[in-house]
Amino acid sequence: AQTVTQSQPEMSVQEAETVTLSCTYDTSESDYYLFWYKQPPSRQMILVIRQEAYKQQNATENRFSVNFQKAAKSFSLKISDSQLGDAAMYFCAYRSLSGGMLGVTFGTGTKLQVIP
Amino acid sequence: DTGVSQNPRHKITKRGQNVTFRCDPISEHNRLYWYRQTLGQGPEFLTYFQNEAQLEKSRLLSDRFSAERPKGSFSTLEIQRTEQGDSAMYLCASSQETGRTYNEQFFGPGTRLTVL
Repeated sequence: AQTVTQSQPEMSVQEAETVTLSCTYDTSESDYYLFWYKQPPSRQMILVIRQEAYKQQNATENRFSVNFQKAAKSFSLKISDSQLGDAAMYFCAYRSLSGGMLGVTFGTGTKLQVIP
Repeated sequence: DTGVSQNPRHKITKRGQNVTFRCDPISEHNRLYWYRQTLGQGPEFLTYFQNEAQLEKSRLLSDRFSAERPKGSFSTLEIQRTEQGDSAMYLCASSQETGRTYNEQFFGPGTRLTVL
């Protein structure tokens, strides 16, 4: 079974600064997707960024980028120029591409606080 | 609003009672997922439907839980003989996907269940 570990329960960042959220995962599969989801307080979960494991290039979406290290099974999220609206729970997540369940496996989350 | 909707948003029940939740996915989406999220944790996959067929169930889905998606449109999740451990947020997500290729799952706002 796949597992996703987020070792930082809470992080804080000054507005306009950069923050990196960490994530490690464990799998025996070679093909899979990795995601970062954002869950603002009392609001719906939304997809921030995704990475296909077969792609070597790190995904970027505007101010959000990832550092994907497949051999180390590490998948960190970097948020540049942090904004107040970035404050939320961030979940790292995994989904099988090759044969496991199609449901997404989530980590326990990192609560990000943005300080004005 | 064409997003995923869930009803009710909150449900308080007494231990031993049955409860039913409803999810209305985005209309053209063929896949519908159910997740459970307990306080301080990430969502956990329960089950998913491809149109009206229930294709996967996780081991978390005990025999007190049953889900349906008649006609491949809305879905219901029923919990029989509720226990205090069933208290959680129940999330629904939908997507338009074929095979194992991922397409973004759009999440609903969730139904928060409290079992007294």
